[in-house]
Amino acid sequence: AQTVTQSQPEMSVQEAETVTLSCTYDTSENNYYLFWYKQPPSRQMILVIRQEAYKQQNATENRFSVNFQKAAKSFSLKISDSQLGDTAMYFCAFKGDSGGSNYKLTFGKGTLLTVNP
Amino acid sequence: KAGVTQTPRYLIKTRGQQVTLSCSPISGHRSVSWYQQTPGQGLQFLFEYFSETQRNKGNFPGRFSGRQFSNSRSEMNVSTLELGDSALYLCASSTTGANVLTFGAGSRLTVL
Repeated sequence: AQTVTQSQPEMSVQEAETVTLSCTYDTSENNYYLFWYKQPPSRQMILVIRQEAYKQQNATENRFSVNFQKAAKSFSLKISDSQLGDTAMYFCAFKGDSGGSNYKLTFGKGTLLTVNP
Repeated sequence: KAGVTQTPRYLIKTRGQQVTLSCSPISGHRSVSWYQQTPGQGLQFLFEYFSETQRNKGNFPGRFSGRQFSNSRSEMNVSTLELGDSALYLCASSTTGANVLTFGAGSRLTVL
């Protein structure tokens, strides 16, 4: 079974600075998808960024980028120029491409990020 | 384009009662999934529906059930509520073959 681990329960950063959230996962599959979702106090789970495992290039979405290390099974999220609106719980998630894991997301426990003014 | 709509947003029930939660997916999305979110267990997969058929089910007791209608709207039902069923229930929809789920704002269930 796949597992996703986020080792930082809480983090804080000053506005305009850069912060990196860590995520590791365990799987025996060769192809899969990785995601970062953000859940602000409003509870709406919002997709931040996604990465296909077969793509070597790291995904980027504006101020958000990932460092995907397939061999190390590591998938960290970097937030540049942090904004107050980035304050939220961030979840790393895994979705397989075949077999028994391609129909659901497996989530980590989350990292609560607070951006301070 | 309207997002995923979940109703009700908040509800309070007592032990032994049952509850029905509703989810309207994004127009054109035929797959609907449900997740339970609790502080202790985190986010756990409940079930997935596609074309009115339950394709997959997570490791939850039979008290948890659901269905999907021909318009892709989905409902989930929890019978004989227990205190441990208190949670945020999230619904997500996706297009056929897509790997990205779009979530609703959730239904917060409190069982007293």
